[in-house]
Amino acid sequence: NAGVTQTPKFRVLKTGQSMTLLCAQDMNHEYMYWYRQDPGMGLRLIHYSVGEGTTAKGEVPDGYNVSRLKKQNFLLGLESAAPSQTSVYFCASSYPILAGGSNEQFFGPGTRLTVL
Amino acid sequence: SQELEQSPQSLIVQEGKNLTINCTSSKTLYGLYWYKQKYGEGLIFLMMLQKGGEEKSHEKITAKLDEKKQQSSLHITASQPSHAGIYLCGAAPRGHSGGGADGLTFGKGTHLIIQP
Repeated sequence: NAGVTQTPKFRVLKTGQSMTLLCAQDMNHEYMYWYRQDPGMGLRLIHYSVGEGTTAKGEVPDGYNVSRLKKQNFLLGLESAAPSQTSVYFCASSYPILAGGSNEQFFGPGTRLTVL
Repeated sequence: SQELEQSPQSLIVQEGKNLTINCTSSKTLYGLYWYKQKYGEGLIFLMMLQKGGEEKSHEKITAKLDEKKQQSSLHITASQPSHAGIYLCGAAPRGHSGGGADGLTFGKGTHLIIQP
């Protein structure tokens, strides 16, 4: 099993450009999450999904959109990138305790994004 | 909203020495997760604690959740260079009642450096 994979690993954008980050998991997890990690701020939740076709806002959703068309994929979109979105983005997935899982979140390796 | 405060922010320890990292919550903890992050990489799950007074160990790492469920500690015995990295505690805002769907709120992390 590959676990949670993220593409791309690195990206440099100019202000105003758009891009999509892809997260894929092969563990049949129901829940998926996007976090950003910034120095001195820790990890903050951007958006999350509790199943195919459903998404919800996290702590810092502004400037981002997400889609979960397939259970194994969770896409994070930046429509018009801003320097404030320079960060390391992590995707995670989990299987809920209520469904027999442990609720442990499995993290991808991260995408390092720089917006100039 | 729940806030997690980790202490210390950074720690330099001589190889072979013991150390403790603390995680204090502003609210009752219904699920407390410890992760380790190597610099430039994703998060690796260490342990999850749920019950007051619970203690778990894996190799040389022991995590405890106090009886009041508002503080957790991570203790490393006889530290090794492989223990170096960033340790993060995370908590589920609604615990099991939310099914874990809300994602995790994280502390800002403790940077651990092991001196040979």
